[in-house]
Order: sequence, then C-alpha cells, then structure tokens
Amino acid sequence: QKEVEQNSGPLSVPEGAIASLNCTYSDRVSQSFFWYRQYSGKSPELIMSIYSNGDKEDGRFTAQLNKASQYVSLLIRDSQPSDSATYLCAVATGGYQKVTFGTGTKLQVIP
Amino acid sequence: SQTIHQWPATLVQPVGSPLSLECTVEGTSNPNLYWYRQAAGRGLQLLFYSVGIGQISSEVPQNLSASRPQDRQFILSSKKLLLSDSGFYLCAWSVSTGWDSPLHFGNGTRLTVT
Repeated sequence: QKEVEQNSGPLSVPEGAIASLNCTYSDRVSQSFFWYRQYSGKSPELIMSIYSNGDKEDGRFTAQLNKASQYVSLLIRDSQPSDSATYLCAVATGGYQKVTFGTGTKLQVIP
Repeated sequence: SQTIHQWPATLVQPVGSPLSLECTVEGTSNPNLYWYRQAAGRGLQLLFYSVGIGQISSEVPQNLSASRPQDRQFILSSKKLLLSDSGFYLCAWSVSTGWDSPLHFGNGTRLTVT
C-alpha cells in the first residue's frame, strides 16, 4: 500500500466550476498535510497547509482534513485555466519533517 | 524573506561522469535541508535530508551522496553517473523546529544522463 495515494487523473473541469482533488494516507500518526501545485517543468509550490480536522479556506482554495478516515482533499472554486497543473498531496510524520508526497493529480481546466 | 537558490537549471552529463549540484538558502538559520528527485511521470522521492552542518541522512541507497559544509549550503554529488540518475532534482528547506513547517522548493535541476 502506498503511503500517500492520489488519483493520477487527468481531472477535467470547465472554467468556473469547482475542482475536487482527493488524497488518502496510510500513517495514522501523520500530523501535517500540505497541497502543492506543480506546473509542467517547474518545481512544486506550496498552496495550502492543514493540521487539524475540518476545513481551511484561503481565497478560492479550501483544504479539508478527516484524520479518522485518513483523508485530505483540496477544493478549488471558480476554476481558472491558470489552475491547470499537477497537484501534489504531501503528508508529514515525525519531528524532522519527513514528508511523503503522492504522485499527484493532473488538473485540466477547460476554457 | 527566505529564498532558496539551486543551480544549474539544466545539465546534460555522460554516463560515468561526476555530478555536483548546489543549493543555498538565504534569510534563515539552521534550516532543515532536503534533496528530492522526481523521475519522469513519477512522484517525489526523498534522497537525503540534513538537520545541521555535517549531519546527513540517506533515505535511498544509491550512487549519490550529499554534504552540508555550511549551515545554508547543501550539495548533491556522484562520482559516476548512471542512466537511471536522470531526473528533476529538487532542493528544499524547512524551519528546523516544529512539525507544522512545510517544505519550500528551489527551482530544480533537470539532469539528463546520456
């Protein structure tokens, strides 16, 4: 079983719609959860972090965490073509920040 | 503010040649430093991490090595490159304390071994 699992996609949504990206993780003691956006050929860019159960909103982005279900998601409202990228889920366990990444979900926003 | 510099941006090297990639962080002291590799179509693989000068932990045994000669400098090396070493190499940093510190990546080095 992979430590962090994501659907590879591509996930296609029309411009203006809500994109929903999902991630599950296997280590129950994981403490920190991050979403990164990676444009083709570029390095990952942090867009959201979440540490406690519930929702966290930042602009058009909402991260959701459910530790009991070992599930974290990212919602992108009013999707724009510029949101087209691969979204990486990352889970941190341990005091030295051992971060494990999923393989990413490719999002395509269709104009 | 903190910035991370990584060079070179691209590199083409023949099999069997040596490798040296360098990363420096500005604007913070005693960061945790990391080297990741992303192969084409694959996820990010942690290669090395360091919590201080001279302290290196390896996550994957292979022909690569890392060194941290200064607090904010991290170097990835190889004596003899293999074809399988091709990939996108990313240096990252995080603050040294706390479990709530995300990683911040440099721009990466795209390495092609021919």
